[in-house]
Amino acid sequence: NAGVTQTPKFRILKIGQSMTLQCTQDMNHNYMYWYRQDPGMGLKLIYYSVGAGITDKGEVPNGYNVSRSTTEDFPLRLELAAPSQTSVYFCASSPDRGGYGYTFGSGTRLTVV
Amino acid sequence: DQQVKQNSPSLSVQEGRISILNCDYTNSMFDYFLWYKKYPAEGPTFLISISSIKDKNEDGRFTVFLNKSAKHLSLHIVPSQPGDSAVYFCAASNNNNDMRFGAGTRLTVKP
Repeated sequence: NAGVTQTPKFRILKIGQSMTLQCTQDMNHNYMYWYRQDPGMGLKLIYYSVGAGITDKGEVPNGYNVSRSTTEDFPLRLELAAPSQTSVYFCASSPDRGGYGYTFGSGTRLTVV
Repeated sequence: DQQVKQNSPSLSVQEGRISILNCDYTNSMFDYFLWYKKYPAEGPTFLISISSIKDKNEDGRFTVFLNKSAKHLSLHIVPSQPGDSAVYFCAASNNNNDMRFGAGTRLTVKP
């Protein structure tokens, strides 16, 4: 019963490098989300997906891209990493919107130097 | 714009006593409110939710109260246990895909 799995757990990037944060869920949830959490702040929505092939921007999408080719996978791509992208990234999924609680992965701590 | 606010960064209570975590919101269109609990190095875990048509929802030791006129909700934990020590996030949604989170309150339950 894995739930939501994120890899890697930690990563250090140099300015201008790119990387992909992986997220996989095994609960057959249609809805998936990417959030970032900065120190002392709440989680902010980067991108979300309501099903395979459908993605949309959240509150803070600049500098990121996503794709959703399958129900299970929702990778987040960082192009041209910047220090402002230093954060903890959480992937989440839910069976539906509204009052359903999200299932979160354990996070990826990213540092851009 | 911070639509969901948790004004207390931390709270310390004695084991066995009540913990009350507070949350305020500004968007009257929110129709679901949720609480999550987060341990270090883990993702948030869903705890309890309440619909805007209710004013109370209870699940074991956890009760959430909603005061729509004051745009305020609270989470009560009774009795508090040392294992409840974590960061608690309040969140709100208006049935779309943009759930807004507060900054969190760190609860410490002392034995």
